Amino acid sequence: EPEVTQTPSHQVTQMGQEVILRCVPISNHLYFYWYRQILGQKVEFLVSFYNNEISEKSEIFDDQFSVERPDGSNFTLKIRSTKLEDSAMYFCASSIRDRVPSYTFGSGTRLTVV
Amino acid sequence: DAKTTQPTSMDCAEGRAANLPCNHSTISGNEYVYWYRQIHSQGPQYIIHGLKNNETNEMASLIITEDRKSSTLILPHATLRDTAVYYCIVRASGGGADGLTFGKGTHLIIQP
Repeated sequence: EPEVTQTPSHQVTQMGQEVILRCVPISNHLYFYWYRQILGQKVEFLVSFYNNEISEKSEIFDDQFSVERPDGSNFTLKIRSTKLEDSAMYFCASSIRDRVPSYTFGSGTRLTVV
Repeated sequence: DAKTTQPTSMDCAEGRAANLPCNHSTISGNEYVYWYRQIHSQGPQYIIHGLKNNETNEMASLIITEDRKSSTLILPHATLRDTAVYYCIVRASGGGADGLTFGKGTHLIIQP
């Protein structure tokens, strides 16, 4: 079964550093997403991306965040200057364009900001 | 998106059917009911979705009431690996650009 692949599985970074989280969506999917989940809290939508541009973003997705699809396979989330409160699991997801999309999520990257 | 209400937690014996309820009394005509689950901090996993008819796939069955104000996810023969948080999400159909809004879900614990 096709999978969404995320790397690394765990990233530790110092406060103020830039971090890039990487995702390889399912190859024939057209919509890409990032979600995050702070420990013990809900899964929260960050951003959706389609046709090489952001389709929708939440209030969490401020100027510190950016997304990019640098080539035909990777989808990245960059946090410019990490804060302690950015520590969370970050999940990438993708979906095929469909009237009723079902999303496939990756297994996540655990980001720890120290 | 319409709001959903789910019990915080439920227990079910291994091998029995697990029935997870969800209330969505403000659902509108073009909104689908989705079910996802999350096993111990892994990424959420799509289970099933439906509009008004009952649906079944290899994982589960979805029963939607005639007035569409509530639904039940049924895992017919629960195993220990089905222990997870189950999310009921109501969302309008569309091109896929919208994100999903996850609530707190139901923590289903399968007892041996």
